[in-house]
Amino acid sequence: AQSVSQHNHHVILSEAASLELGCNYSYGGTVNLFWYVQYPGQHLQLLLKYFSGDPLVKGIKGFEAEFIKSKFSFNLRKPSVQWSDTAEYFCAVNVGSSNTGKLIFGQGTTLQVKP
Amino acid sequence: DAGVTQSPTHLIKTRGQQVTLRCSPKSGHDTVSWYQQALGQGPQFIFQYYEEEERQRGNFPDRFSGHQFPNYSSELNVNALLLGDSALYLCASSSWSSYNEQFFGPGTRLTVL
Repeated sequence: AQSVSQHNHHVILSEAASLELGCNYSYGGTVNLFWYVQYPGQHLQLLLKYFSGDPLVKGIKGFEAEFIKSKFSFNLRKPSVQWSDTAEYFCAVNVGSSNTGKLIFGQGTTLQVKP
Repeated sequence: DAGVTQSPTHLIKTRGQQVTLRCSPKSGHDTVSWYQQALGQGPQFIFQYYEEEERQRGNFPDRFSGHQFPNYSSELNVNALLLGDSALYLCASSSWSSYNEQFFGPGTRLTVL
């Protein structure tokens, strides 16, 4: 069965530190990849997505992610975090044809940024 | 432009009862997916509706059922509630013909006592 693994459950950083959150998936076929963010008290929002093309994708708020097919990975990065980045981050995979709505989520990473 | 809306916000039920949750998709979307998010976990796919039919289903028992109406809104029904059904239930909408991303609603927090 397909699965998504996020390596870090809880990350604590100081403002201006660099961020990298790991995400690995298990599926050998075509995938669409997503990172969602859930700020405290808010609903899930899309940070960025990869469907095809350039494996380095840029999202909102300075986030970026790199798709490495050989490693089945889609790690999220940000050069300098801010206190407002404190949130829960979810990696998700959508497998198969583009019409399928089944997103498989990782268990999430809680990011706490200290001012 | 209204996003995805869900009702109610919170719900408390007792074991064995039945519950109905509601979702209105984002304007222009015709596909609705439902997810269950247990505390401390990522969302898990329950099922997806398009053209008033269930198109895909995750690993959930038949106690979980749904419906989509002609205006694309959707309901999630859960029968014979168990304590383990306590979770945040998320609705997400998308466009079937031009799938790009799913937009999530704020969720309904269900507590089963």
